[in-house]
Amino acid sequence: QVQLQESGPGLVKPSETLSLTCTVSGGSISNYYWSWIRQSPEKGLEWIGHIHYTGSTNYNPSLKSRVTISVDTSKNQFSLKLTSVIVADTAVYYCARRLGVGGGYYMDVWGKGTTVTVSS
Amino acid sequence: DIQMTQSPSSLSASVGDRVTITCRASQTISSYLNWYQQKPGKAPELLIYAASSLQSGVPSRFSGSGSGTDFTLTISSLQPEDFTTYYCQQSYSTPRTFGQGTKVEIK
Repeated sequence: QVQLQESGPGLVKPSETLSLTCTVSGGSISNYYWSWIRQSPEKGLEWIGHIHYTGSTNYNPSLKSRVTISVDTSKNQFSLKLTSVIVADTAVYYCARRLGVGGGYYMDVWGKGTTVTVSS
Repeated sequence: DIQMTQSPSSLSASVGDRVTITCRASQTISSYLNWYQQKPGKAPELLIYAASSLQSGVPSRFSGSGSGTDFTLTISSLQPEDFTTYYCQQSYSTPRTFGQGTKVEIK
């Protein structure tokens, strides 16, 4: 059974870079797309972007200038970097696996989430 | 971006009640609509994908319907563990977008 676990600093200073890693266990990262989603009381659930195991990416235009998602198949991990963070980037960050074909995509496995606070 | 609007934002119901939650998309999304359940302090869990397909392991009291712009999630007989928050999400186009959530509370 595939499991995902987010890891990274829980506190980031404004203007710095938020870096998180999602480790995939119980299965291979290959042959799937992998997503990052965040949740805050102000914005609710917000899709950040996804990456294919081959490295192709798709980002939310609202964050595209600050976001990079990368994959390391040798470590069965994928990562999120968000630059120039502001207080509004404070949220619970989730990683998830994307399944489906032909538009009928869905996120079937989620990590437990990690809280990131942006504060000086 | 496609806007997803859920109604109601909250509802009160009793164990055994039949409950329906509605999700409306700002443009047609065919059947590319998913439903998630989220319990406090936990990650969302997939209930329904492609508007009406039940995710493996999800109780059959949950069902989904709709296409185009209007969708519904129905819980046929509310159980104590169902009192929590539900979200819809469209996968028709990027950026993927979610509804604001519907909280099901005990009456």
